[in-house]
Order: sequence, then C-alpha cells, then structure tokens
Amino acid sequence: GQNIDQPTEMTATEGAIVQINCTYQTSGFNGLFWYQQHAGEAPTFLSYNVLDGLEEKGRFSSFLSRSKGYSYLLLKELQMKDSASYLCATMDSNYQLIWGAGTKLIIKP
Amino acid sequence: DGGITQSPKYLFRKEGQNVTLSCEQNLNHDAMYWYRQDPGQGLRLIYYSQIVNDFQKGDIAEGYSVSREKKESFPLTVTSAQKNPTAFYLCASKGQGDVQPQHFGDGTRLSIL
Repeated sequence: GQNIDQPTEMTATEGAIVQINCTYQTSGFNGLFWYQQHAGEAPTFLSYNVLDGLEEKGRFSSFLSRSKGYSYLLLKELQMKDSASYLCATMDSNYQLIWGAGTKLIIKP
Repeated sequence: DGGITQSPKYLFRKEGQNVTLSCEQNLNHDAMYWYRQDPGQGLRLIYYSQIVNDFQKGDIAEGYSVSREKKESFPLTVTSAQKNPTAFYLCASKGQGDVQPQHFGDGTRLSIL
C-alpha cells in the first residue's frame, strides 16, 4: 500500500531554521516532491529528489534517504511569508503522485 | 504569461444540481489532472488525462465526470451523484517527461447551498 506521514503542524520563529519531516511507504518509487501551499492558493513546486542526499536551493534544502523511506525539507532564515502548508508527495511506479496531508508551518515574530 | 486558470474561484451547488468547474492552461502541457483537497487530508486524484480525447479515473472518480476535447481545457463536472461535494478543487498540468513537476491552478472552492 501507499502511506505518507508528515507532522500536522509546526511552529518556528522568524530568522530560525526548521526541518519538516516526511516518511513514506510506497509500492513503487520514482522520486519525492515538496510543494508549498499558502492558505486558499495553489500549491507551488519547491523541490524534487530521486537520489539519496541533500539538494540545496537558496534558503530551502531537501534531503532523501530511499533506504529509510524518509525525506525532510529544511528552511533557513525563516521569514513571515514562509507561513504556509508544506506538502510531501511521492511518485509511484505509474508516475502518479501520492500526497501527504501537509504540514502547516506557523512562523512567529 | 503561461499558466493555469481555474474558474470560478467560489461556486455554490444546490441539491440535485450538476456544476462544472473550468480549467484552462496555456503551457502547452499534454497531461492534466483534477484533485480534491479536504482539511487534514492529502490531495486525492479524481481524474487525469495524458492526451486529448483520453482520460482515466483516479482514486475518487465516483460522482464526477470530465472531458478533454482540447489540449488547453479539462473541465470537471460535479454531478448530483456526488453526495459530499464540499471541497477545494485543484487542477494541475504537467509537461513532457514522466518526472516533471505538476503546476497548479488557484483552485475552486465548492460549497453546498
């Protein structure tokens, strides 16, 4: 079966660093995506990992361990505009996305 | 600017009524998708289409119908058979290549009157 777990909600302070974890169990794996979604808006693509390791893109980095079924999104130098939900999705053997429920990130001044 | 346009932003459905949600893209993407988003749940796939005049059911197709007569357009009809239609509906498209990211429209929020 397919299962993706993310924390429901996290709180962090402006200027700090936060790590959002995602664990998955899928019958096939063709990579993992992270999206950002502000309330009532479209999800926007952040990153894609298919090989183990860390991918850095500005203030955002994404890590993947295929053997552990684990990924995290690391956000540095947090800004108030980073308050949003962060969605983890794996791509299965049919190249369809399986979505986690999302992690709501609250940034406090 | 290229993008995906969903309309309307808000929609209300009366009992026994069918309603159609519009999705148009000018990204020249072949693949298009419809998802439903409910609080506390991940996006769930309703229907998808990989080419004009062809579409497949997703995980929760019951009570919904689609058409793909043009590459740019993938409208979703929520029929009266869908007993719990209140949700946020998202349309997405994807360019060529299996592992391309999906790009989303701004969504339509559907409520029951």
